[in-house]
This record gives sequence, structure tokens and C-alpha cells, in this order.
Amino acid sequence: GQQLNQSPQSMFIQEGEDVSMNCTSSSIFNTWLWYKQDPGEGPVLLIALYKAGELTSNGRLTAQFGITRKDSFLNISASIPSDVGIYFCAGRSATAGNKLTFGGGTRVLVKP
Amino acid sequence: KAGVTQTPRYLIKTRGQQVTLSCSPISGHRSVSWYQQTPGQGLQFLFEYFSETQRNKGNFPGRFSGRQFSNSRSEMNVSTLELGDSALYLCASSNAGAEETQYFGPGTRLLVL
Repeated sequence: GQQLNQSPQSMFIQEGEDVSMNCTSSSIFNTWLWYKQDPGEGPVLLIALYKAGELTSNGRLTAQFGITRKDSFLNISASIPSDVGIYFCAGRSATAGNKLTFGGGTRVLVKP
Repeated sequence: KAGVTQTPRYLIKTRGQQVTLSCSPISGHRSVSWYQQTPGQGLQFLFEYFSETQRNKGNFPGRFSGRQFSNSRSEMNVSTLELGDSALYLCASSNAGAEETQYFGPGTRLLVL
């Protein structure tokens, strides 16, 4: 089946830092979605991307749909403590019956 | 608009029992998908319902089933529960349009003892 490789698996942030994470696949996707999940809650949609090369921002978050349609990245600028959580990428492909495939998540933690 | 709601939020069952979880989608959304989330396996797709019909299915055993009603509300059922079924079960709804985007509920946390 299709797989999304999300990296890094975890990262520590210091307030004010810019951070980035990405998802790659051997398959082509026609939609990329980025979600954030807080403990005990369901994932919340952050950004949706529908076209190759598309660059979309949502506040301090910026995500891009890779030109090859096999990858996407998410940047968080000037991180703040409430950015802590788990970030998931998800891709949709017509060849997979339009089901969403999720990456393994990037756990963002605050530097002690 | 109200978001996706799931009931119950928490559930404890014992092995061999069966369980039914409920999901009410965002008003106007006709597609409901179910996912299982565990620390080891991440988010795994169970099935999707659209207009009362199962449109997609993941790789789960037949003990996992679902249905959708005419008002788009959906239920999923797990029979003969196993310890490994302990997980957060998430429901997501979408408008199933050309730029379909799924919105998740808070989930039902199931613990099987």
C-alpha cells in the first residue's frame, strides 16, 4: 500500500525558532493536508494543498505541495509554546480510491 | 456550524464484548470516514461511507463494521473485542466535493481489558 514518510519523528523547539517538517512518498498525490493533534483530541486541519507547487500560509504556518507531487513540507515560523503537539501530513491519491493516507507524525516538544 | 461530534468520548470494555461508536458529521457533509489511531500503528483508515453506502474500506478484519444513516450520522461496530482494539477511534466528515477536505471529531477512546 501507499506510505508517507514523515520526518523528523520528533523535534524540540525553542520559542522564536523556525521549524520545518516534511513528508515524502514514492506515490503521486493530488491533495496534501496538514493536521495538528493535541493530546486527547482529534486532528485539526491546518492547511490544505490541491495543486503541485502551491504554497499556502495560515498565520505562522506555511506549507508547500511539491512539484513532483510526491512530497510536501510544513514550516512554522517564530514558534510559540502552544505549537507543541503532533503534526500529521496526509495525502490523497486517485489510485488509492481517494482514501487519505497519513504520515507517522512529527511530535513537537519544547526544549527544556 | 457545529463540528464533528463523537459519542461516547471514553469507553471501557472487556475482551469478547462488542461496542458501537457514533459519529455526527458537520451539517451538510455526506461523507464520513473512520480511523483507528494507536501509538504503534498511527492513523489507520477503517472505512468511508457516503450516502449510506460504504465507498472505501481499509485492511481491517470483518469484526469491524459500520453503517451510515439517511441523516449522514454514522456508527461503527466492533464485535468480539480483543486487547489490541484499544485505541482512539476518530471519525472525519467531508463535503465530498472536488476539493474534499476531512474534518475530524475529538475521537472515542476505547480501552479493552
